Amino acid sequence: GESVGLHLPTLSVQEGDNSIINCAYSNSASDYFIWYKQESGKGPQFIIDIRSNMDKRQGQRVTVLLNKTVKHLSLQIAATQPGDSAVYFCSQGSSYKLIFGSGTRLLVRP
Amino acid sequence: DTGVSQDPRHKITKRGQNVTFRCDPISEHNRLYWYRQTLGQGPEFLTYFQNEAQLEKSRLLSDRFSAERPKGSFSTLEIQRTEQGDSAMYLCASSFTSGIEQFFGPGTRLTVL
Repeated sequence: GESVGLHLPTLSVQEGDNSIINCAYSNSASDYFIWYKQESGKGPQFIIDIRSNMDKRQGQRVTVLLNKTVKHLSLQIAATQPGDSAVYFCSQGSSYKLIFGSGTRLLVRP
Repeated sequence: DTGVSQDPRHKITKRGQNVTFRCDPISEHNRLYWYRQTLGQGPEFLTYFQNEAQLEKSRLLSDRFSAERPKGSFSTLEIQRTEQGDSAMYLCASSFTSGIEQFFGPGTRLTVL
């Protein structure tokens, strides 16, 4: 079946350091992948997406890498800030449906 | 605030009761989605609408669940004869037809006692 899984449930980083959140997926037919951030008591918030025909995309302080050979997705956050503390979900989508993984909690130490 | 809104934010009910949630999407968006999220898990797709047409329902959406979007604007999700296993966060999202970014609302947290 389709699944999107994450390697680590919790990631703790020092403020100012870079964070890397990893994700494995199983469905090769997805058209795109999206990273969402979810803060406590809120709905998921879009961070960045990447089309399946790309291997890297950069945003503001964030970079997403896609390795289709090993079905692996990662989110890199540069100079991690306290406001980055949240649960991060990778998701894969095609046409309309998003399939989410179980999430990684990012804790930023002051 | 022009984002997706959901009402109520919290609902506590007794097993066997019916509940109804409302979602108001971003007004320009044609598509509206419902997801369910349990603690520590990512959202799970339930159903989606293209304007007023409900185009897909997940296997997770049992016969006790029904969703409507009568005028292609707001949507309601009703759960009949609630069970304790229905306790979860119910999230609504909306998007443009051609857009891949889904904008999520804050969710309705349902607790079934």
